[in-house]
Amino acid sequence: SQQGEEDPQALSIQEGENATMNCSYKTSINNLQWYRQNSGRGLVHLILIRSNEREKHSGRLRVTLDTSKKSSSLLITASRAADTASYFCATATHTGANSKLTFGKGITLSVRP
Amino acid sequence: DAGVIQSPRHEVTEMGQEVTLRCKPISGHDYLFWYRQTMMRGLELLIYFNNNVPIDDSGMPEDRFSAKMPNASFSTLKIQPSEPRDSAVYFCASKSSSGHQETQYFGPGTRLLVL
Repeated sequence: SQQGEEDPQALSIQEGENATMNCSYKTSINNLQWYRQNSGRGLVHLILIRSNEREKHSGRLRVTLDTSKKSSSLLITASRAADTASYFCATATHTGANSKLTFGKGITLSVRP
Repeated sequence: DAGVIQSPRHEVTEMGQEVTLRCKPISGHDYLFWYRQTMMRGLELLIYFNNNVPIDDSGMPEDRFSAKMPNASFSTLKIQPSEPRDSAVYFCASKSSSGHQETQYFGPGTRLLVL
């Protein structure tokens, strides 16, 4: 079963607007990661947030984590047409030898020029 | 570095045929993961290796699937015999455990169509 569930499933916005995507999960985690996938390509890592962190920034990306609600959000500010892609959250319940990621089904983001 | 390399990029085969997918991880990475992506099921972890040893193969669908990692720079995923429901995009990813890194680096994928 999926550990991470993203919401909404699809999002369409105008260039320049902010895009907010949410992810909920079921079990305790060590870290949560967000990945982007452009059409026909592999996934690319965007940002990682650990269970003892509440917020992280990377360029136009802002990620929050609420472990009490078992949820995370990814905010892309001042969106661009090039941000059009699918976005996945992935959770890691362990690190080290037992480290593996469980991915959600993804959010399709369309940014209209 | 060239990143994770997968071959072939596209594969079309007929039901019952053997299919072999190949992956070269990033040099120095000690973890290798095989995933399958479909519209219905999303991205599923099939198996992963650490230092060439399979750690968790609980995601392998059935005995028709097998994976090997004979050395640190090469892995294969084999499907024998293939079935139409195996049609999907198969991704290989690698990761380094040095410095407690958790980021996985994905290859471009192999798009498999079984007729």
